Amino acid sequence: EDQVTQSPEALRLQEGESSSLNCSYTVSGLRGLFWYRQDPGKGPEFLFTLYSAGEEKEKERLKATLTKKESFLHITAPKPEDSATYLCAVQKDTGRRALTFGSGTRLQVQP
Amino acid sequence: NAGVTQTPKFQVLKTGQSMTLQCAQDMNHNSMYWYRQDPGMGLRLIYYSASEGTTDKGEVPNGYNVSRLNKREFSLRLESAAPSQTSVYFCASSEYKGTSVIYEQYFGPGTRLTVT
Repeated sequence: EDQVTQSPEALRLQEGESSSLNCSYTVSGLRGLFWYRQDPGKGPEFLFTLYSAGEEKEKERLKATLTKKESFLHITAPKPEDSATYLCAVQKDTGRRALTFGSGTRLQVQP
Repeated sequence: NAGVTQTPKFQVLKTGQSMTLQCAQDMNHNSMYWYRQDPGMGLRLIYYSASEGTTDKGEVPNGYNVSRLNKREFSLRLESAAPSQTSVYFCASSEYKGTSVIYEQYFGPGTRLTVT
């Protein structure tokens, strides 16, 4: 059974305190791994797609990396506006379009 | 561009009532999706439409029906609402050019549904 597990469930950081969020997956035939940001009361906002192990993507203070078993979202010198829930999702190597989502990591950055 | 829009934003239903959630996208995407989000369970796919004229079941289709009205619009219908369908419903869309290429999905703002 496909599984996506995100850790920690919640993370509280001080402004400027760098950290990493983890997304581990057990999926046969991974086609892509996606990171989304979700603010309270809003829909998920697309951040990154990673396609193969060793790939890295960056956007402002965020950097996503991918191995054969997990992905990390590194947050460098976070600001309070980075506070959100970060979701990880995977797509399998089939014709179906379904994404399998993790439960997310709730990040709070305090000033 | 508005992206993906959903109506209504909030809805309260009594058990047994029916309703239709509306979704539209203006990005000229071929594929559209309906998800539900419940605390601690992540987003789960209800139905999707790979392209206009086709629909397929997702992970949790029971109790729902969908209609791909045209390329822009994809509606989700609850024929007889149950308390277990209390959730936040998200519509999403993506490009689709065959199974060899995957594209990110873009989400709407959600509909918060309570069934009493």
